[in-house]
Amino acid sequence: DTEVTQTPKHLVMGMTNKKSLKCEQHMGHRAMYWYKQKAKKPPELMFVYSYEKLSINESVPSRFSPECPNSSLLNLHLHALQPEDSALYLCASSQGGRRNEQYFGPGTRLTVT
Amino acid sequence: AQSVSQHNHHVILSEAASLELGCNYSYGGTVNLFWYVQYPGQHLQLLLKYFSGDPLVKGIKGFEAEFIKSKFSFNLRKPSVQWSDTAEYFCAVRGGATNKLIFGTGTLLAVQP
Repeated sequence: DTEVTQTPKHLVMGMTNKKSLKCEQHMGHRAMYWYKQKAKKPPELMFVYSYEKLSINESVPSRFSPECPNSSLLNLHLHALQPEDSALYLCASSQGGRRNEQYFGPGTRLTVT
Repeated sequence: AQSVSQHNHHVILSEAASLELGCNYSYGGTVNLFWYVQYPGQHLQLLLKYFSGDPLVKGIKGFEAEFIKSKFSFNLRKPSVQWSDTAEYFCAVRGGATNKLIFGTGTLLAVQP
């Protein structure tokens, strides 16, 4: 099973709302990732969690707040977003270590109004 | 800093034509190399990967890629494309001890029946 699931599939939120994106994997992977993908662009790394600890933050604005409650779950808390934050948010996971292919979820299509 | 270049942004082929998509990266050390495919409306899927060993790697759906270290290249090939291969193809590189995956800008392949 190489499945990474993400909820919700679509999300529309106002600039004053607070919402959360969720990601789950049951492959026993120890690294999990958040990416942002704009239309016709490659995914851009936002955060990396390794063994449930934040290991990489790519200078992401504080209105995005990641959380890793356990090794299978990854959340992205959203608050006071801007319209330019509208994008596809992808979660990925990998085994960790040197042989490290990442498996991606289907993404959450976020629209900020 | 690592970077990945995909020179072909948009490729149009007829069915049964051969495919070669270029990928070059800049990183002097040990690298892991990947090709991902994103079919219309679907999530990123891993096509193939290279960690070490035989520089010619075979992936799913008849795709293969060749790692040429001296040229810093990892080109994707398929001898005979099908209409169902219409998708966006991303080359990605992971270098050193980091978990960061750097994506190329992508190549949009359109196969005409």
